[in-house]
Amino acid sequence: DAGVIQSPRHEVTEMGQEVTLRCKPISGHDYLFWYRQTMMRGLELLIYFNNNVPIDDSGMPEDRFSAKMPNASFSTLKIQPSEPRDSAVYFCASSFHNSQHLKAFFGQGTRLTVV
Amino acid sequence: RKEVEQDPGPFNVPEGATVAFNCTYSNSASQSFFWYRQDCRKEPKLLMSVYSSGNEDGRFTAQLNRASQYISLLIRDSKLSDSATYLCVVNRENYGQNFVFGPGTRLSVLP
Repeated sequence: DAGVIQSPRHEVTEMGQEVTLRCKPISGHDYLFWYRQTMMRGLELLIYFNNNVPIDDSGMPEDRFSAKMPNASFSTLKIQPSEPRDSAVYFCASSFHNSQHLKAFFGQGTRLTVV
Repeated sequence: RKEVEQDPGPFNVPEGATVAFNCTYSNSASQSFFWYRQDCRKEPKLLMSVYSSGNEDGRFTAQLNRASQYISLLIRDSKLSDSATYLCVVNRENYGQNFVFGPGTRLSVLP
């Protein structure tokens, strides 16, 4: 079974450009999370979806960030316009809520560099 | 104060040693608890859930103390392959899904 798939793996872009990160969750999972990881701040939850609906976006840093989940198998995180301080590794994770606790499974991440 | 705190380390231990990591969390509404490991430049991977009664998986033992809001991970007979960063994670399931990660504790197992 394929895990969480993210694309691209690496992105280098110029300040001011729009960046779109993509995620395909594990089939059957009903939660999807976007995280950002930096050396200074560690892993931060940006937003999560349940059944394709955004539930909590309080971690989204600014209006420049937006996320969508048009269907159960696809989500995007967009930064427009990008800034150098957005440079980080962005992880997507998915999970399934059953009688046990949620367990989040991560994609390999997108390493974003804004120059 | 951060919601989840860990000793940042690094912990440098010889092969075969026993090492323990500690984690404290501030939100008493936290419902579920996990340990993840993250290798350099890789994604975090679930190591084990942490149950109230404590649980063991091979060389790994996790403990939870809800009264003290404290979680621990014990690694026995450490291997070179255990070298990684260990992340403590708490989730407030009844208040939305909010996996909060600690800053991680770095472990280096030396030959």
